[in-house]
Amino acid sequence: LAKTTQPISMDSYEGQEVNITCSHNNIATNDYITWYQQFPSQGPRFIIQGYKTKVTNEVASLFIPADRKSSTLSLPRVSLSDTAVYYCLVGPGTNNAGNMLTFGGGTRLMVKP
Amino acid sequence: GAVVSQHPSRVICKSGTSVKIECRSLDFQATTMFWYRQFPKQSLMLMATSNEGSKATYEQGVEKDKFLINHASLTLSTLTVTSAHPEDSSFYICSAPSGADTQYFGPGTRLTVL
Repeated sequence: LAKTTQPISMDSYEGQEVNITCSHNNIATNDYITWYQQFPSQGPRFIIQGYKTKVTNEVASLFIPADRKSSTLSLPRVSLSDTAVYYCLVGPGTNNAGNMLTFGGGTRLMVKP
Repeated sequence: GAVVSQHPSRVICKSGTSVKIECRSLDFQATTMFWYRQFPKQSLMLMATSNEGSKATYEQGVEKDKFLINHASLTLSTLTVTSAHPEDSSFYICSAPSGADTQYFGPGTRLTVL
């Protein structure tokens, strides 16, 4: 499984756009990139998943360059409720569904008023 | 999205007792479920893969005789922490894949062993 590297923590202010970058230099051809959000004492929540280029949903955007060795999660106009730990995971298969997930350290995002 | 539940949400027990944690997929079937453990301020660590109809697969360093896993049906997996000790106190989380989408996580179970 490809190892991921993320910043340990980030600070932001309400209303700002937050970009969290994840490095995965050893990503395999059939690996997908998935981001999860976790609040204290809760299970991780799926945010977004992609393979290449750009993916956007109602919550976030995911930017993946052509070499796929990194990815950037973009959260538009964050609010205090976006304070959480964000995990980037890389896994084999057409999706990560049937495969075990290996969590890295995650990025602790603190949104300030 | 799919829903995964866990019961209980928190449990406090005495050292030496056994505790059972249930993980259920509420609106989908899962032949495979995963169990994770998370200590304070740390990331999730995969403990084992629960397989319906067969034995669980444990990660290196996880004692299978201490953490008993039973995948009784396509919607239920249980984790039993046997002879629990204070060092087993942790946040236990299960997950299950739903179709061709992604994995969904339960809300977690906070275990405190006195």
